Amino acid sequence: NAGVMQNPRHLVRRRGQEARLRCSPMKGHSHVYWYRQLPEEGLKFMVYLQKENIIDESGMPKERFSAEFPKEGPSILRIQQVVRGDSAAYFCASSPPGQYIVGTDTQYFGPGTRLTVL
Amino acid sequence: KNEVEQSPQNLTAQEGEFITINCSYSVGISALHWLQQHPGGGIVSLFMLSSGKKKHGRLIATINIQEKHSSLHITASHPRDSAVYICAVRSLGQGAQKLVFGQGTRLTINP
Repeated sequence: NAGVMQNPRHLVRRRGQEARLRCSPMKGHSHVYWYRQLPEEGLKFMVYLQKENIIDESGMPKERFSAEFPKEGPSILRIQQVVRGDSAAYFCASSPPGQYIVGTDTQYFGPGTRLTVL
Repeated sequence: KNEVEQSPQNLTAQEGEFITINCSYSVGISALHWLQQHPGGGIVSLFMLSSGKKKHGRLIATINIQEKHSSLHITASHPRDSAVYICAVRSLGQGAQKLVFGQGTRLTINP
């Protein structure tokens, strides 16, 4: 059972370009979380998605950032018109659906995508 | 003040020493996670706790819900344990699915 996969692992963009980060959850997992780690800072929650639904996007910047998790295919974090301050490591995590008490499931992290904006 | 505070921020020890990393939080939680981030950046989930104590190999995690405090212990530490250890909590109520992270503790074990 492959783990959470993220691609690309490294992404370089010039200011103003778009960045698309992909996350394939573990097989059977229908919950996806995106986190951002700015240089020399801790991890921060961005968004929580279930298949075709955004459940909690309270950590997403109001502009330029969007996320989706379609019925088929990976979850995508999209950053439009990137700026230097978007340079960070973006981690995706997934967890399984179903029979657990809300808030107590383990999340499995992907290797991250390191975005550098020139 | 952050909702999750870890101490120490940095810790250097000699191989074989017993290591303790502390985590205090200020909100009601449903679970607490300990994560390990390797020098290459990958993140591994070590423990998820809602009460008591868990042990996995040389790692032990404890939590005291009343005191809002958790500790991660490493026995017989080894240079390969060198990493950043991160405490994260799931708060109760609205937004219960997201993790709130501490700043991490950078552990260096010298041979």
